[in-house]
Amino acid sequence: AQSVAQPEDQVNVAEGNPLTVKCTYSVSGNPYLFWYVQYPNRGLQFLLKYITGDNLVKGSYGFEAEFNKSQTSFHLKKPSALVSDSALYFCAVRSFSSGSARQLTFGSGTQLTVLP
Amino acid sequence: NAGVTQTPKFQVLKTGQSMTLQCAQDMNHNSMYWYRQDPGMGLRLIYYSASEGTTDKGEVPNGYNVSRLNKREFSLRLESAAPSQTSVYFCASSRGLGGLQETQYFGPGTRLLVL
Repeated sequence: AQSVAQPEDQVNVAEGNPLTVKCTYSVSGNPYLFWYVQYPNRGLQFLLKYITGDNLVKGSYGFEAEFNKSQTSFHLKKPSALVSDSALYFCAVRSFSSGSARQLTFGSGTQLTVLP
Repeated sequence: NAGVTQTPKFQVLKTGQSMTLQCAQDMNHNSMYWYRQDPGMGLRLIYYSASEGTTDKGEVPNGYNVSRLNKREFSLRLESAAPSQTSVYFCASSRGLGGLQETQYFGPGTRLLVL
């Protein structure tokens, strides 16, 4: 079975400071990893994904994520946070070995608050 | 191009009532999904349709039925609503060409309250 852990329910950061939202995963086989963002009363929006290749993935709105196979992590990062980045962030994983090839497994979400 | 649309946006039901949540996509995607979102639990897959004419159970299918009406539309039905089905329901779609790297695109959600 595959699983995703987002160890922090809440992350607060000051505007202009770097931000990190943590994600660790557990799969059998190679993982495909995704980050989604959800703004209040909206659906999830795709930010970025790791498939293969370069461990540093760049995505929308200046976000990037680093895939670390040895630590089974896929942390989301941004060099300089904006107040408008405040939202709920979800990490998700899918693997070759998942019982249903298209099922995504989501983490519980991390609420990011950027303070002005 | 509206993407994924869902109706209604909000619904209140009494225990035992039935209702159908509607979802449509205009991206010519083959695969469609229904998730529920509960606080602290992320999103959990209820049912999905890999392609027109097929549906399969996800992680939490009990109490729900689905219909893939055509390539564009995928509905979720609650035959006898229970308070435990109070949640936010999201529909999503993807190209469905078999690649595990496919991105799913989400609708705005339906908030359901069962009293």
